[in-house]
Amino acid sequence: GAVVSQHPSRVICKSGTSVKIECRSLDFQATTMFWYRQFPKQSLMLMATSNEGSKATYEQGVEKDKFLINHASLTLSTLTVTSAHPEDSSFYICSARDRRGGRANYGYTFGSGTRLTVV
Amino acid sequence: QKEVEQDPGPLSVPEGAIVSLNCTYSNSAFQYFMWYRQYSRKGPELLMYTYSSGNKEDGRFTAQVDKSSKYISLFIRDSQPSDSATYLCAMREGNTGKLIFGQGTTLQVKP
Repeated sequence: GAVVSQHPSRVICKSGTSVKIECRSLDFQATTMFWYRQFPKQSLMLMATSNEGSKATYEQGVEKDKFLINHASLTLSTLTVTSAHPEDSSFYICSARDRRGGRANYGYTFGSGTRLTVV
Repeated sequence: QKEVEQDPGPLSVPEGAIVSLNCTYSNSAFQYFMWYRQYSRKGPELLMYTYSSGNKEDGRFTAQVDKSSKYISLFIRDSQPSDSATYLCAMREGNTGKLIFGQGTTLQVKP
């Protein structure tokens, strides 16, 4: 089945530094990637939608200069948290939309998530 | 009012019980309805999806959608301890393809 590989699974960084999170679709091409963040015991909040080769569309309230998204190929999207602060600590998850139709295109495939801790 | 409402629980049941999980929504533009299972510190895993009113069954799982009431349910029969997880309903907008999630219900199945 469709697999999305997300790395790193866990990262601790110092306040003020930048962190890059990668998501790769391993056995399919992803026309669209979605990035979410999830706080403990809360739901997934959509941050942005990225389509291959174009600029990401950010949800209201999400700082596009802080959360840089690149979707340079049909199999790779990256989220860079710039000048990270402790309030950016969260669980970040990507999901990919298969360019093919069928079951794979209904619910999308999620990565395993990245737990970011900013100290 | 949130677009998707889901009781966060927690819900605790004995092994073998039938579990009922529910979500309500307000946006008539939602066309696809999904249920995901999420284990602690992992990404969500798609369990069921449907795009019409009615029932859909897959093994021990049954998804039910009532578009007229804007209400969806997931039933788990013969629940097992391994079913203990957080269950998230999600709804997809037809135009944008975005998934909007409920808060998630934490389920614990006790042996």
